[in-house]
Amino acid sequence: ETGVTQTPRHLVMGMTNKKSLKCEQHLGHNAMYWYKQSAKKPLELMFVYSLEERVENNSVPSRFSPECPNSSHLFLHLHTLQPEDSALYLCASSQGRGSKDGYTFGSGTRLTVV
Amino acid sequence: DAKTTQPPSMDCAEGRAANLPCNHSTISGNEYVYWYRQIHSQGPQYIIHGLKNNETNEMASLIITEDRKSSTLILPHATLRDTAVYYCIVRVAGFRNQGGKLIFGQGTELSVKP
Repeated sequence: ETGVTQTPRHLVMGMTNKKSLKCEQHLGHNAMYWYKQSAKKPLELMFVYSLEERVENNSVPSRFSPECPNSSHLFLHLHTLQPEDSALYLCASSQGRGSKDGYTFGSGTRLTVV
Repeated sequence: DAKTTQPPSMDCAEGRAANLPCNHSTISGNEYVYWYRQIHSQGPQYIIHGLKNNETNEMASLIITEDRKSSTLILPHATLRDTAVYYCIVRVAGFRNQGGKLIFGQGTELSVKP
């Protein structure tokens, strides 16, 4: 256990479904991140939240909608996804965006879009 | 943030030291060197970081050259559980709510063999 918990671990959804990924951190951190890792590709940073405010959106399609209701929780709402969106979605947190201590990652949600 | 270059893959015999190199010739004076690893289908795990001095913790040692243009991560006694992709990342850090993003490259795939 890293202190960052992601649910569900696995998700299969159809292209017309709406689902949400959840991330929860128990580390007292105030910055949270969503990353996407497609097969055989490096991790891609999707969204950055600092003090519950979205500070970065790296050209992510609108079918991905993040939400950060408080500093401990981060959601990624999914709708009308495409098969190429199948990937491992990773959440991370840190004590401030510039923290020397780096990021702590969850175990990820393996998403399959059918 | 500066770019890093790592060999795509390396092998190491179990029980021997694994030395993973990283080139970061364009590193700036305020950028730290970070190492993470990712065991198959899990989230990345922080290993160690440094600015200019060599660092050691319970997992590994980090040797940074005097000109800071390259570094080596050393796993002193590699085990089969150290088989993973190792990422070398440089980023600005040290400011609570400002700093560089953690951007992952392709990393080095380390295979520890019996």
